[in-house]
Amino acid sequence: EVQLVESGGGLVQPGRSLRLSCAASGFTFDDYAMHWVRQAPGKGLEWVSGISWNSGSIGYADSVKGRFTISRDNAKNSLYLQMNSLRAEDTALYYCAKDFAAMGIFDYWGQGTLVTVSS
Amino acid sequence: EIVLTQSPATLSLSPGERATLSCRASQSVSSYLAWYQQKPGQAPRLLIYDASNRATGIPARFSGSGSGTDFTLTISSLEPEDFAVYYCQQRSNWLLTFGPGTKVDIK
Repeated sequence: EVQLVESGGGLVQPGRSLRLSCAASGFTFDDYAMHWVRQAPGKGLEWVSGISWNSGSIGYADSVKGRFTISRDNAKNSLYLQMNSLRAEDTALYYCAKDFAAMGIFDYWGQGTLVTVSS
Repeated sequence: EIVLTQSPATLSLSPGERATLSCRASQSVSSYLAWYQQKPGQAPRLLIYDASNRATGIPARFSGSGSGTDFTLTISSLEPEDFAVYYCQQRSNWLLTFGPGTKVDIK
């Protein structure tokens, strides 16, 4: 059974940093691209960033480019999101999502970790 | 950035009725469009990928169609568990985007 478990969320002041983690199990992690998708309270879904199986291809939404960094450790079956210079508008539930064979399709999702940016 | 527009914003229907949801792209995405269902307090679930392919375990009452800029998700006969928010998403390029969603609620 595919499982994606996010962690690292919390309350953080504007301008500070936070690192999210996603622990994956139930599939061959290094065969698949992975993504972060967020959802602000009461709002829709926004793709944040994606990374290919070997970290050779990485993409970011314009809203986070230059502030967020995605990475992965295939030996640890883990995905990460380093978030710097956080803003109030980054407040959201952050989902880790598995890609359906590097196609930009999200076939499995975690339950999310909440990031709140506030002073 | 490819912008996706969904209509209507809210669709009020009764169980057993047919639901037709629309998604329009600001430029062609070929057939690279997916649909997701999200219920309150839950993560989204993949329903349809590449415009018309049902994901694993998705009931046959869900179907997708379209190509280029205009796409449709059809639920042939609404079951009580189908009342939810539906999002379309394009993967035409590595800048992935979602539509704003259509809420299907009980009339």
